[in-house]
Amino acid sequence: GDSVTQMEGPVTLSEEAFLTINCTYTATGYPSLFWYVQYPGEGLQLLLKATKADDKGSNKGFEATYRKETTSFHLEKGSVQVSDSAVYFCALSGGAGNNRKLIWGLGTSLGVNP
Amino acid sequence: EAQVTQNPRYLITVTGKKLTVTCSQNMNHEYMSWYRQDPGLGLRQIYYSMNVEVTDKGDVPEGYKVSRKEKRNFPLILESPSPNQTSLYFCASSLSDRGPYEQYFGPGTRLTVT
Repeated sequence: GDSVTQMEGPVTLSEEAFLTINCTYTATGYPSLFWYVQYPGEGLQLLLKATKADDKGSNKGFEATYRKETTSFHLEKGSVQVSDSAVYFCALSGGAGNNRKLIWGLGTSLGVNP
Repeated sequence: EAQVTQNPRYLITVTGKKLTVTCSQNMNHEYMSWYRQDPGLGLRQIYYSMNVEVTDKGDVPEGYKVSRKEKRNFPLILESPSPNQTSLYFCASSLSDRGPYEQYFGPGTRLTVT
């Protein structure tokens, strides 16, 4: 079945460091890919998404490119801030365009020190 | 403001005492879903609903019930809670179950069953 694997955390960086959180997936068809972020004490919110191969999603300085050849959707940010400390989840939804079920990675906790 | 609300935010109860966690959205979304989040297990879907009076089981439905009598509300019912249902619960909604639509999450309900 479909699955998402993301790098284990926690990840700890200093402010202004470069961030990469790896995400790879296994899916049939043509899934859409998402990154969600969960700030402390809050629910999840969509950070960015990509719906087809070679699409780049971007938001708040974060970027991720849908790479079909490597089945990856790695999250990157050039210069992290303390306010980026959160848990990041990679997810996919069905290749048939069916959003009925989101397949989730286990989440990667990011801490940014000033 | 477009949002998903859940109540209560925190609940401590005892084994066997029936409880209901309410979920309401004001975006006229068709699709609603309940998840539980546990350390090391990520997000797991409990139940989902594609529209009024249409519900279906997710990955971990045992011990839970849901109903969808109105489009905006999707309560989660624990008829006889047990300690293994201690968890963080999230309600989510999206426009439809077709297409890569963003899911909007509530703030979460932290349930402890003693």
